Amino acid sequence: KNQVEQSPQSLIILEGKNCTLQCNYTVSPFSNLRWYKQDTGRGPVSLTIMTFSENTKSNGRYTATLDADTKQSSLHITASQLSDSASYICVVSLNTGFQKLVFGTGTRLLVSP
Amino acid sequence: NAGVTQTPKFQVLKTGQSMTLQCAQDMNHNSMYWYRQDPGMGLRLIYYSASEGTTDKGEVPNGYNVSRLNKREFSLRLESAAPSQTSVYFCASSPDSVQPQHFGDGTRLSIL
Repeated sequence: KNQVEQSPQSLIILEGKNCTLQCNYTVSPFSNLRWYKQDTGRGPVSLTIMTFSENTKSNGRYTATLDADTKQSSLHITASQLSDSASYICVVSLNTGFQKLVFGTGTRLLVSP
Repeated sequence: NAGVTQTPKFQVLKTGQSMTLQCAQDMNHNSMYWYRQDPGMGLRLIYYSASEGTTDKGEVPNGYNVSRLNKREFSLRLESAAPSQTSVYFCASSPDSVQPQHFGDGTRLSIL
């Protein structure tokens, strides 16, 4: 069964600190892995998208890594800000004719002042 | 640039009532999608439209119908609402299935 699991479920960090969110997947056939940020009451917004051959991709203070061999990804947030408080969702795309997405349940991050 | 616009933002229905959720995008995207988001679960695909004139079932299509009215608009209809359809519904669009999807801000639907 295609699954995407994220850890931790929730996390509280102090403003200015770094954190790393984890994503493990069992999805086949794999096409790409995406990270989305979802603010409370809003729709998800794309942060990064990585294909099989990409190990790292950055978007400002967000850096995603992908290990296709172990089927693991991480999202590292540097120098956190209050506006980083949100849910972060790991999504894996299936390499089918029309690519469908398998969503994780997300990690809820709270950045405390 | 509005992106993906969903209406209404909130709705309360009684069991058995029908309603249509509206979605429009102004990015000239070919593909459009309807998802539902429930507590403790990842987003689940209800229906999608790969291109104008086509629609296909997703993971959880039972109880729903869709219409791709034109390239911009993709509506979701509940014919006879049930409490199990209480959820937050998101519409999304993308240039194709490979590119990142752009999401609307959702419709919060409660069925009593």
